Amino acid sequence: GENVEQHPSTLSVQEGDSAVIKCTYSDSASNYFPWYKQELGKGPQLIIDIRSNVGEKKDQRIAVTLNKTAKHFSLHITETQPEDSAVYFCAASIRGGGNKLTFGTGTQLKVEL
Amino acid sequence: EAQVTQNPRYLITVTGKKLTVTCSQNMNHEYMSWYRQDPGLGLRQIYYSMNVEVTDKGDVPEGYKVSRKEKRNFPLILESPSPNQTSLYFCASAQGVEQYFGPGTRLTVT
Repeated sequence: GENVEQHPSTLSVQEGDSAVIKCTYSDSASNYFPWYKQELGKGPQLIIDIRSNVGEKKDQRIAVTLNKTAKHFSLHITETQPEDSAVYFCAASIRGGGNKLTFGTGTQLKVEL
Repeated sequence: EAQVTQNPRYLITVTGKKLTVTCSQNMNHEYMSWYRQDPGLGLRQIYYSMNVEVTDKGDVPEGYKVSRKEKRNFPLILESPSPNQTSLYFCASAQGVEQYFGPGTRLTVT
């Protein structure tokens, strides 16, 4: 089955700096890659996603890039703010696998003032 | 408001005492799923359901049961809970690929 690795497990940045979280996946059949943000005491919430026919997608301060050849994708957050502090999860979904998502192990992002 | 609800939010129980965690969604989604979240392991799928009366095992189904008698509800049943089932549990629903998660149920089994 699919295996998703996520790095780093913790990330601390100064407010205003950029943050990058990286994930690799194992199954070349994966074609959908969402990113979820989990705030303390809440369930994960989708913040951005990308499909395998696209190399990059942006939404305001958040962007995701995908390298299908290398089988890795990354989340980029620019101009970080304290409210960006949360746990971020990447995930991958295999083509023809229904809605099944395989998650990475999460990154605890802390934005310091 | 479109949402996934779970009850209870917090539960402390003893080994062997059967319990049920309820999950309900008001978005008319066909797909529903249960995950458990453990430190350093991310979210792992327990069971999922593609539609009413259709359920299947995820990656960590041992010790759990589910049922899907109605489209909106997908309860998670622990017939004989054990301490290794102490975890944070999330229910999710989806129509298409985007999944919506509930607020979580923190379960402690002593």
